[in-house]
Amino acid sequence: GAGVSQSPRYKVTKRGQDVALRCDPISGHVSLYWYRQALGQGPEFLTYFNYEAQQDKSGLPNDRFSAERPEGSISTLTIQRTEQRDSAMYRCASSFRQGFLETQYFGPGTRLLVL
Amino acid sequence: EDQVTQSPEALRLQEGESSSLNCSYTVSGLRGLFWYRQDPGKGPEFLFTLYSAGEEKEKERLKATLTKKESFLHITAPKPEDSATYLCAVPFITQGGSEKLVFGKGTKLTVNP
Repeated sequence: GAGVSQSPRYKVTKRGQDVALRCDPISGHVSLYWYRQALGQGPEFLTYFNYEAQQDKSGLPNDRFSAERPEGSISTLTIQRTEQRDSAMYRCASSFRQGFLETQYFGPGTRLLVL
Repeated sequence: EDQVTQSPEALRLQEGESSSLNCSYTVSGLRGLFWYRQDPGKGPEFLFTLYSAGEEKEKERLKATLTKKESFLHITAPKPEDSATYLCAVPFITQGGSEKLVFGKGTKLTVNP
């Protein structure tokens, strides 16, 4: 089957606008993770879900960031009132089972540029 | 503070010149370590999971090993197509009791023909 997909692949927005980034995990994968990756850095954990339940959101930078996975499949990461410092690659990953010892499979990412 | 450190940051090899990449970590009670490969513009691609000290795994020209304090990714007789950034990641339990996967910054490997 298909891997993790993310859309849009690129998003350019003006400062102050809201953006919604979508992640479609591998079918049947229970857990879904959001990361942010700066150039030359490894992915930085933001938040994750087991099924539809958000387990931990302590990695979200501030309250402008939120995520949901209402039906336990597709997830949306929303950034409100975007700022230039939000510009980064946002990556989604999913795993077949719960737990951080499970292999996470990554999507291609959404590159966000805030002007 | 728990962290994952990779060295070197960048490595240039000639085709066929074997070498090793290092991933060191500070965590109490290591439960596992992951190696990923990342090509430019793409998401990380899973390579290996190591669960306990002494464990080794191989895939083509790559071999990953794990000790109590660090992991090595050995590359034997590399080819230009092995050029990529190699990331390691370790699961951590935070002080608040939540869990997350922490990545190193990666080693950018360039193999020249």
